[in-house]
Amino acid sequence: QVHLVQSGAEVKKPGASVKVSCRASGYTFTSYTIHWVRQAAGQRLEWVGWINAGSDKVKYSEEFQDRVVMTRDTSASTVYLELSSLTSEDTAIYFCARDNPLIAMGDYWGQGTLVTVSS
Amino acid sequence: AIQMTQSPSSLSTSVGDRVTITCRASQDIRKALDWYQQKPGKAPKVLISAASTLQSGFPSRFSGSGSGTDFTLTISSLHPEDFATYYCLQDFNYPYTFGQGTKLEI
Repeated sequence: QVHLVQSGAEVKKPGASVKVSCRASGYTFTSYTIHWVRQAAGQRLEWVGWINAGSDKVKYSEEFQDRVVMTRDTSASTVYLELSSLTSEDTAIYFCARDNPLIAMGDYWGQGTLVTVSS
Repeated sequence: AIQMTQSPSSLSTSVGDRVTITCRASQDIRKALDWYQQKPGKAPKVLISAASTLQSGFPSRFSGSGSGTDFTLTISSLHPEDFATYYCLQDFNYPYTFGQGTKLEI
């Protein structure tokens, strides 16, 4: 049974960085790509980028290109999203989602991690 | 970036209603369009992929159609559990972009 379990809520000050984790289980971790998607309150979903857990290749949205880093730890079956230079506009729920080329982006999702940026 | 325009943004509906949600892409995306259902406090679930392929776990009252720039999600007869927000997503090229969502309300 596939599960993606994310780390807990974070509160950060403007200008700080945040690192959110997404631990996978129930499948071969290195066989899939993981996307990150965020959602500010009352706003549409926003794609942040993806990391291929096998090759470590990444693709970032240009919107976040300069301040996002996605990494993975195969020994822990975990991917990480680090976002720097935070502003209040980064306050959102961050989701990880597994890509399934036979279905779509997000056949399984994490539960979401609330990141609050406030002074 | 490809802009996805979804309409309506909200819809007041009733159990048993037929509902149609549209999504328009700012350029041709072939059939690279997915639909997601999101309930409050939950992650989205992929409902339809590649414009018209219904995903397992969802009943046949849901259907999708379209190609190119114009797409439609139809719910033939609303059930109580269908009240949610629906998003379209284009995965034709980067950055992937979502529509603004359609909230179905009683």
